Amino acid sequence: DIQMTQSPSSLSASVGDRVTITCQASQDIRKYLHWYQQKPGKAPKLLIYDASTLEAGVPSRFSGSGSATDFTFTINSLQPEDFATYYCQQYDRLPLTFGGGTKVEIK
Amino acid sequence: QVQLVESGGDVVQPGRSLRLSCAASRFTFSNFPMHWVRQAPGKGLEWVAVISFDGSDEFYADSVKGRFTISRDNSRNTLYLQMNSLRTEDTAVYFCARGGFTVTTISNSWGQGTLVTVSS
Repeated sequence: DIQMTQSPSSLSASVGDRVTITCQASQDIRKYLHWYQQKPGKAPKLLIYDASTLEAGVPSRFSGSGSATDFTFTINSLQPEDFATYYCQQYDRLPLTFGGGTKVEIK
Repeated sequence: QVQLVESGGDVVQPGRSLRLSCAASRFTFSNFPMHWVRQAPGKGLEWVAVISFDGSDEFYADSVKGRFTISRDNSRNTLYLQMNSLRTEDTAVYFCARGGFTVTTISNSWGQGTLVTVSS
């Protein structure tokens, strides 16, 4: 199985900050990486697919980059509604696997 | 707007069985693979199983293989998860999610989840 190592597991940031989360795959997953946002009691919301493509309707302050084993997710100018937990997930092959999550909290 | 509504979550004792359902609407259900993903309380996301659009292929996480069965009824636009020999570690919110073009992809369409609690 492909292991997804996401870091940090949590971070504190202020509105307007730039936030960066990394995700490392244990094997080459090409570009097949999702980034999700999840708020308490809600289903995950897909933000980015194919490592860097923004899902329709997602604000442009969210971005993703990377390929093969190393990926980065960035929120430029953090907004109050962005405080949530973020997950990466590979879909290069089954079983699908998720990173452990990054909780973005208010500083 | 795609709609997925899970049901069937309950409190059950270890070793017992439970069947979850996911009612799909506002899209052509029979065209898409479907997934189950779970989340234990306070924990991260774990993929559980996927079924192909026509039900001919099923794939499972090792943690549930041999105990859980995913199925679908395309005439009823409904996805199922039969869970047998339940363990305390199966306690989680179970989400159904629509797949993409292949069984390895998940779309942005998820249900709201149904809670399964396994406890004596």
